[in-house]
Amino acid sequence: DIQLTQSPSFLSASVGDRVTITCRASQGVDGYLAWYQQKPGKAPKLLIYTASTLQSGVPSRFSGGGSGTEFTLTISSLQPEDFATYYCQQLNTYPLTFGGGTKVESK
Amino acid sequence: EVQLVESGGGLVQPGGSLRLSCAASGFTFSDYYMDWVRQAPGKGLEWVGRSRNKANSYTTEYAASVRGRFTISRDDSENSLYLQMDSLKTEDTAVYYCGRRYDSGRIDYWGQGTLVTVSS
Repeated sequence: DIQLTQSPSFLSASVGDRVTITCRASQGVDGYLAWYQQKPGKAPKLLIYTASTLQSGVPSRFSGGGSGTEFTLTISSLQPEDFATYYCQQLNTYPLTFGGGTKVESK
Repeated sequence: EVQLVESGGGLVQPGGSLRLSCAASGFTFSDYYMDWVRQAPGKGLEWVGRSRNKANSYTTEYAASVRGRFTISRDDSENSLYLQMDSLKTEDTAVYYCGRRYDSGRIDYWGQGTLVTVSS
C-alpha cells in the first residue's frame, strides 16, 4: 500500500499568514493526488486534484504543487474560514489512501 | 444540484451486520464510480471501497481492513449505493461517507455521513 505522510500534523498560524503543508508518498503516484479540507462535523471538501488543479469554486489563495512523491498545499494568505483539517489522498493505486491530516489552528 | 444522502447507521453489537444506503440525485448516477470513506471518532479519513459503473461491470475494490466483511453494491434504477457490513468489529465504529468519484479519481461530492457504532 502507498503510505502518505503529511507534515506538520498541527500548525498554528494567524490570519494573513502563508501556510504550506507537505504530503510525502512512499512511492510515486503519477500526479494523482488530491487535497481536501474538513471542518468539524462536516464532510470533506475537495480543494485540489491532479496535484495542482484548483477545483471549481475554490478560492485562488489555495494552490497545489509537487510531483513524484512530494506534494504541497499552500494557502497564500490564511483567512478565518480556512482554520480546518487538511488531508491529501492518492488516487493512483488501490487501495486508495489518505494522509494522516494537518490541523490548522489559530495562533 | 448534486446530492448524496447516507442512511442506515446506528448501534450494532460486535459480530453483527448493518446495511448503509446512499441516495444520489442531481446527476446521472449510472455513469459514475462511487466510493465509501469512513472516519473513526477523532481520527483521519480512511478509504473503504469503490464501485465502478455499469460500463466497467460494476466491479469493486476494497481496503484490506474490510475486504471479505464488507460488500459494496448499487442499484442504478434507484440511484442508490449500498454498503453491506458483516462481522462488524468495534474498530469499524465511524462516520461513513459516500462520495462521487470524478475524473482523475477525485471525490468531488460527498454526503453528510452516517454514524455506525459497534459496541456491546
